Amino acid sequence: AQTVTQSQPEMSVQDAETVTLSCTYDTSENNYYLFWYKQPPSRQMILVIRQEAYKQQNATENRFSVNFQKAAKSFSLKISDSQLGDTAMYFCAFMKGNGGATNKLIFGTGTLLAVQP
Amino acid sequence: NAGVTQTPKFQVLKTGQSMTLQCAQDMNHEYMSWYRQDPGMGLRLIHYSVGAGITDQGEVPNGYNVSRSTTEDFPLRLLSAAPSQTSVYFCASSTHRGTSGGLPSYNEQFFGPGTRLTVL
Repeated sequence: AQTVTQSQPEMSVQDAETVTLSCTYDTSENNYYLFWYKQPPSRQMILVIRQEAYKQQNATENRFSVNFQKAAKSFSLKISDSQLGDTAMYFCAFMKGNGGATNKLIFGTGTLLAVQP
Repeated sequence: NAGVTQTPKFQVLKTGQSMTLQCAQDMNHEYMSWYRQDPGMGLRLIHYSVGAGITDQGEVPNGYNVSRSTTEDFPLRLLSAAPSQTSVYFCASSTHRGTSGGLPSYNEQFFGPGTRLTVL
């Protein structure tokens, strides 16, 4: 069975600074996807970034980037130039990449990020 | 497109009552699923469906029933609500998985706005 662990329940960062959220996972699969979702106070789940396990290059989306270490099963999210609108719960998630019928997501417990003015 | 819609947004039930959480999508997605979100536990999969007439259990299915009579709708039924079912419920949908160039393809899951359910 796959598991996703986020060891930082809460984090705080100053406006315009950089912060890194940690995520580790456990799987015996070779093909899979990893995601970071953002959940602001509105409760809406927003996909921030995804990483395909077969790609060595780390994914980047504007101010958001990941550090994907496949051997270490680590998948951290770096937010550069933090903004007040980044204040949210962030979830790390895993999905098998076996090409099967299911799109099951396995989530971590989340990290609550507060951006301070 | 309205995307994924859920009704109601909020609901309070008494123990033993039954109700149905509604989920609909207008994107012709084959795959639909229900998650529950509890503090300190992230989101956990309750049930999912890969197409009309096909459903299966997720990680935490006990106390919930689902059916999929149409592609658009995937209701979640609580037959006898319990306080342990107090949670925020999310519905999600996506297109069917497949492969592209021999590698597994990815289809983004779209989440509804959630339903906050309280069982007293």
